[in-house]
Amino acid sequence: GQQVMQIPQYQHVQEGEDFTTYCNSSTTLSNIQWYKQRPGGHPVFLIQLVKSGEVKKQKRLTFQFGEAKKNSSLHITATQTTDVGTYFCAGPGSGYALNFGKGTSLLVTP
Amino acid sequence: EAGVTQSPTHLIKTRGQQATLRCSPISGHTSVYWYQQALGLGLQFLLWYDEGEERNRGNFPPRFSGRQFPNYSSELNVNALELEDSALYLCASTVERGTATNEKLFFGSGTQLSVL
Repeated sequence: GQQVMQIPQYQHVQEGEDFTTYCNSSTTLSNIQWYKQRPGGHPVFLIQLVKSGEVKKQKRLTFQFGEAKKNSSLHITATQTTDVGTYFCAGPGSGYALNFGKGTSLLVTP
Repeated sequence: EAGVTQSPTHLIKTRGQQATLRCSPISGHTSVYWYQQALGLGLQFLLWYDEGEERNRGNFPPRFSGRQFPNYSSELNVNALELEDSALYLCASTVERGTATNEKLFFGSGTQLSVL
């Protein structure tokens, strides 16, 4: 079945540095979603990308969907301590299941 | 508007026992999803219910089961608990059925199940 792989698994940055997490699928995705889970919290929807090559921005966060719709990335510019958490990408699997990657845990030190 | 609510927050069981976890979706949402989040394994899809029917299940043994009630709330049952069932169980709801992969999921805070 379709799986999404995320790298890196962990990332530790100094506040103000940039951060990028990558998501790769073995198959073409009709769409991809991104979620953020704060420590001790639950996943919260960030964005959905649908079109090939799509780029969307949310303040300091930039999301991209690859031309082949098999990969995606989330880039955070000038990280802040509030960005701490685990970022998950998720793509549609079989039978309307949403398959999540294992996530990238971001730690930001001031 | 209330979000997705799950109960209990924490549940401690011993191996071989049964656990029942409950979820109330956002008002107006008809689809409920269950995910297992074990340490280091991300979110693993368990079950999807919509309009009272089980629509899909993930790669989990039959001792993981559940149901959805007429008010769209849902219950997850785990029989013959094993140590590796210890995890955070997350429930999520969406507004539309049949197009769920294109709808964002609203997650509850989860039930932390510990099997001793």
